[in-house]
Order: sequence, then structure tokens, then C-alpha cells
Amino acid sequence: DGGITQSPKYLFRKEGQNVTLSCEQNLNHDAMYWYRQDPGQGLRLIYYSQIVNDFQKGDIAEGYSVSREKKESFPLTVTSAQKNPTAFYLCASSIAGRGANVLTFGAGSRLTVL
Amino acid sequence: KQEVTQIPAALSVPEGENLVLNCSFTDSAIYNLQWFRQDPGKGLTSLLLIQSSQREQTSGRLNASLDKSSGRSTLYIAASQPGDSATYLCALLSGNTPLVFGKGTRLSVIA
Repeated sequence: DGGITQSPKYLFRKEGQNVTLSCEQNLNHDAMYWYRQDPGQGLRLIYYSQIVNDFQKGDIAEGYSVSREKKESFPLTVTSAQKNPTAFYLCASSIAGRGANVLTFGAGSRLTVL
Repeated sequence: KQEVTQIPAALSVPEGENLVLNCSFTDSAIYNLQWFRQDPGKGLTSLLLIQSSQREQTSGRLNASLDKSSGRSTLYIAASQPGDSATYLCALLSGNTPLVFGKGTRLSVIA
């Protein structure tokens, strides 16, 4: 079945460590996205990519980095520069272009900083 | 910049009631609007997608409407069930940016 796989589901990090969240899709979607969700804050866009080897910053990109070397993969690194990284992270993908952009979401990764 | 507001933030209703969730937005130049459902600790599931040229979409007990001129969308849930308990989010696609989300309405249907 086609879908998006995020791993790990739960992750604990010590302050000062970088961590990488994985996002893989087999939907043949061109566009991929990373969102952060905090209680009462809704979803906020971190980074997005509409094509391989290209990506754009979202509203809260500081302290995060991404790569898009393959169409299927869009890993997110939470760096030590991110001051408050504890949150629920959601990856999504869609076809590119306008009009019928239905987003498919992964199940999420919950990061906790100890 | 597009801003999306969902009211109320939380809603509790007895089983069987019909209910309406509201979504308002500031920029009417949208391509489409989506309603999502999110269960606690889970990802989002798309419920309904309304193109900018459409007025409403229906799926089972769900009906979503779109009024661009007033900057509003509503999600109508008929004959609510305890299994409908979840957070419902609306999101808009406009301009050259990805989806912009509201903060969601947390719905509890009491048996």
C-alpha cells in the first residue's frame, strides 16, 4: 500500500544533540513537507520541497535543516540551535502544482528533549 | 499573509446531535480548502477537499461548505457518534505557499 512512513515514532534527545527524523513516501509525490505541532498552536511549516535537490524555508525554519536527494525521502535534522525542540513532527507529501493538492500525512514523530 | 481561525477551540456534544465547525480566513484568493481529522497522537487524515470553484462537498455524514466572499467554511457533521471525537483542522492553499492550517477544534461526542 502507498503511504508515508515516519521514523522513529518516539525519540528522546539530550540538550546539545542533533537528531534526524526520517520521512519516506512511495506515493510518487513530487512535493514533501515538514510541520511542527505544539499543543494549542496548530501546525506550523518548517521546510518544504517541491522537487528533488530543492527546498524552501517555511515559517519556523531556524534550528532545522533538510535534504532532498531522492524523490522518496525528505529527512529533517533538528539541530542543537533549535531552542525548544520538544514537539510532534509531521511529514506530508502531495502532487506538485495547484488545484488538487491533497496532502497525505505520516503518523508523526514525537521528540522529547531531556 | 493568510490567517486561518477556527472557532470554537473545543466542543462537547451528546451523541446524535448535528453540529457545525467553523473556519474563517482572511485572504479569499484561495485555490482550495481542506478539512482534516486528527486523533490524539496520530497524523492527519483528509476528510474533504473543496476547490475554489465549488460551494460544497459531501462524504457520508460530513458536509463542507465554502463561501469565499465572506471568508468562511463550515464542516457539518450529522448524527454525531462517539467515534467522531477528534480534532478537526481546516487548511487553505493560496498564493505560492503550502497549506496554512487553523489551530483546530477539539470535538468530544458523549455517549
